[in-house]
Amino acid sequence: EIVLTQSPGTLSLSPGERATLSCRASRGISSNYLAWYQQKPGQAPRLLIYSASTRATGIPNRFSGSGSGTDFTLTISRLEPEDFAVYYCQHHNGSPLTFGGGTKVEIK
Amino acid sequence: QVQMVQSGTEVKKPGASVKVSCKATGYSFSDYYIHWVRQAPGQRPEWMGLVNPSDGSVSHSQNFQGRITMTRDTSTNTVYMELSSLRSEDTAMYFCARGTRSGVGNTPLQHWGQGALVAVSS
Repeated sequence: EIVLTQSPGTLSLSPGERATLSCRASRGISSNYLAWYQQKPGQAPRLLIYSASTRATGIPNRFSGSGSGTDFTLTISRLEPEDFAVYYCQHHNGSPLTFGGGTKVEIK
Repeated sequence: QVQMVQSGTEVKKPGASVKVSCKATGYSFSDYYIHWVRQAPGQRPEWMGLVNPSDGSVSHSQNFQGRITMTRDTSTNTVYMELSSLRSEDTAMYFCARGTRSGVGNTPLQHWGQGALVAVSS
């Protein structure tokens, strides 16, 4: 099973600032099959990025993903008020699919 | 548009079973695997398993070995997840989700149900 570790646990930023979130895998993820999700309270996760860097349908271009192997990054170029939420990484490389522990992006 | 509509809240006693449904609309039901993911309060999502609606084949996490049953009904485009021998640690929101790519199980999860709360308490 691939273990995903996210950092930091919490990111305190102001609207307009840049957010950089990290996800590290316990072993290399083939084909960079790594996804990022956003989750707000009481809602299901929302797919933002898959295959490390491909934006899902309808996702604004302020969200970008990068990385390969074991180290991946989600960047939000300029935070909008609606971006304050919890973000999870997940590998989709084989069973079992696993999720990271999440990074909460909160308003400073 | 693609929609995944789940059944409602369930309250169960320890040792009981629960069956959650997920009705899919807006696409060809047989073409996409459907996954089950649960999330306990304040915890990360946890993948439970998947079902191939085309032939009913399933795969599940070892964490639920012997306790999980996933089925589908192609006449109503509905998948079901039954979890038995419930304990308090099974209290969580249970989601179904469909992947981005047809015909394969290992895809990111793009279309999610609204979730079904299962509470286990004596």
